[in-house]
Amino acid sequence: QKEVEQNSGPLSVPEGAIASLNCTYSDRGSQSFFWYRQYSGKSPELIMFIYSNGDKEDGRFTAQLNKASQYVSLLIRDSQPSDSATYLCASVRGSSNTGKLIFGQGTTLQVKP
Amino acid sequence: ETGVTQTPRHLVMGMTNKKSLKCEQHLGHNAMYWYKQSAKKPLELMFVYSLEERVENNSVPSRFSPECPNSSHLFLHLHTLQPEDSALYLCASSQAPAGTYNEQFFGPGTRLTVL
Repeated sequence: QKEVEQNSGPLSVPEGAIASLNCTYSDRGSQSFFWYRQYSGKSPELIMFIYSNGDKEDGRFTAQLNKASQYVSLLIRDSQPSDSATYLCASVRGSSNTGKLIFGQGTTLQVKP
Repeated sequence: ETGVTQTPRHLVMGMTNKKSLKCEQHLGHNAMYWYKQSAKKPLELMFVYSLEERVENNSVPSRFSPECPNSSHLFLHLHTLQPEDSALYLCASSQAPAGTYNEQFFGPGTRLTVL
């Protein structure tokens, strides 16, 4: 079982819709989770991090964490074509104090005009 | 320069060559990382340096040799690579890992091709 799993997609949504990106993790000790966006040919850029159960909102983005279900999600409201990218979910491994981020393979999002 | 920079951006090398990748961070961070990103595979952590000491070596072959002379600079020395080592090599930095979250900022990467 992969430590962090994401559906590779592509996930296709129409412009203006809500895009829902999902991620599951296997290490119950993981405390913190990150969502990165990576445009084709570019490096990952941090969108949000979350470490408490529940929702965290930042503009059009909402991260959701459910530690009991070991599930993290990212919602993008009012999706725009510029949101088309690969979204990477990452967890900090267990109680690691070495900053070891474990990444999923990413979900490709396509927002169609 | 701002953020995290990497040079060169592209590198083509033969299997017998020796080359080095350079990373520099201008964020005042004191932890630095090397990642490998191959097509269709998740980002793989290779090395972690915290306060200039290597704290993680993720079973990386010895043909990859990291060096961290100070908290702002990180090198990856390459020698006798294999074609399967062709990938995007990403450097990242953060505050020395502490607490439960660890926001890492990535450089633009070096696209490496091994012939």
